Amino acid sequence: GDSVTQMEGPVTLSEEAFLTINCTYTATGYPSLFWYVQYPGEGLQLLLKATKADDKGSNKGFEATYRKETTSFHLEKGSVQVSDSAVYFCALSVFQGAQKLVFGQGTRLTINP
Amino acid sequence: ETGVTQSPTHLIKTRGQQVTLRCSSQSGHNTVSWYQQALGQGPQFIFQYYREEENGRGNFPPRFSGLQFPNYSSELNVNALELDDSALYLCASSRDSRGWSTDTQYFGPGTRLTVL
Repeated sequence: GDSVTQMEGPVTLSEEAFLTINCTYTATGYPSLFWYVQYPGEGLQLLLKATKADDKGSNKGFEATYRKETTSFHLEKGSVQVSDSAVYFCALSVFQGAQKLVFGQGTRLTINP
Repeated sequence: ETGVTQSPTHLIKTRGQQVTLRCSSQSGHNTVSWYQQALGQGPQFIFQYYREEENGRGNFPPRFSGLQFPNYSSELNVNALELDDSALYLCASSRDSRGWSTDTQYFGPGTRLTVL
């Protein structure tokens, strides 16, 4: 079945460090790929998305490229800030009678000043 | 533009009781999806409603049911509550997603349900 595997956390970095959170997926067909972010006590916010192979999604300095050959969608940011501390979820979207999001288990990121 | 709203914010129930959670979709969206997020886990798809009909369901038992109203708001009902139903319940709305996997789902803040 469809699934998403994320890099296990928690991840702790210093401010201005480079961030990579790995995400790989298994899916039949051609899914769309998403990164969502969840701040403490809140729901999920869309961070970025890519809908076809080789697309690059970007937002707020975060980037991820849809790599069909490696079935990956790794999240990167060149210089993290304390305000980036949150839980990050990678997800794929498939249509099976309904558009369903399949999420990874989440990666908790903590940025220290 | 009003985002997705959910009520109540928190809820405490006892095992065997029934609960109803509510969701108002974002303006211009006619599709609502519900997800269950257990502590420390990613959200799991419960079901989706499009124009008042359920058009897809995840691996959840029939005691999880829902409704969508003509204004596209939605309810999630859970009967015979079990301890494992304790979770954050998230509602998400999107535009007409039938036949597509590309649309973005926008999430509400969630309802935290505790079953004692």
